[in-house]
Amino acid sequence: GIQVEQSPPDLILQEGANSTLRCNFSDSVNNLQWFHQNPWGQLINLFYIPSGTKQNGRLSATTVATERYSLLYISSSQTTDSGVYFCAVSIGDDKIIFGKGTRLHILP
Amino acid sequence: NAGVMQNPRHLVRRRGQEARLRCSPMKGHSHVYWYRQLPEEGLKFMVYLQKENIIDESGMPKERFSAEFPKEGPSILRIQQVVRGDSAAYFCASSPPTDSYEQYFGPGTRLTVT
Repeated sequence: GIQVEQSPPDLILQEGANSTLRCNFSDSVNNLQWFHQNPWGQLINLFYIPSGTKQNGRLSATTVATERYSLLYISSSQTTDSGVYFCAVSIGDDKIIFGKGTRLHILP
Repeated sequence: NAGVMQNPRHLVRRRGQEARLRCSPMKGHSHVYWYRQLPEEGLKFMVYLQKENIIDESGMPKERFSAEFPKEGPSILRIQQVVRGDSAAYFCASSPPTDSYEQYFGPGTRLTVT
C-alpha cells in the first residue's frame, strides 16, 4: 500500500516564525489533503491539493505530484496554530492513508 | 450548511458492553468513512460505505465490529463486547458523489472502556 512520511515529527517555534512541513508519498495519488488537529482533537480541513499550489491566509500548500511530495507553509505563526498537522492521500474514492503527523508547538 | 455530525461526542462503556457510534454525513454526501485514532497516533481507516452497501471494510477488525449505512438515517459503527483496547477516538468522514475525493471529518466520538 501507499506509504506516507511526514517531516519533521516535532517542531517548536516562537510566535511569528515561519515553518515548512513536508509530506512524501510512495505512489501516484489523486487525492491529497492537509489537516490540522487542534488540541481539542478536532480535525480541520486545510487544503485539498492533489497537485498545484493553493493559499489561504497565512497558510499555503504546494503538491508536486510527479515528484510525490507536498509542502505546507505556515507564515507568521500564532499560538492557535499549535497542534498536529496531518497529510493524507488516496487513490480514487477509497480510504485515505494518513501520515503520522507533525506536532507543532508555537511558543508565545 | 451543517458539517458531518457525530454522536455521542464522548461514550463510556464497561468491558463487555456494546458501543454504538452514529454519523450523519454532510447534506448531499453519499459516501461515509470511519477511522480510528489511538492515543498519540494518526488515523487508521476502518470501513467505507455508501447507502446500504459496504464498499471496503479492509480496516475493520474481524470480530465484534460492524458498520452500516441504511437508506434512511445515520451511519452506525457498532462495537460488541468492548475491551480496553477499543478505547480510542472514532472519526467519521463523508465525501460527495462527484469527481472530488475530498473527505470532510466530523468532531469524533471518544470511546473510553473501563
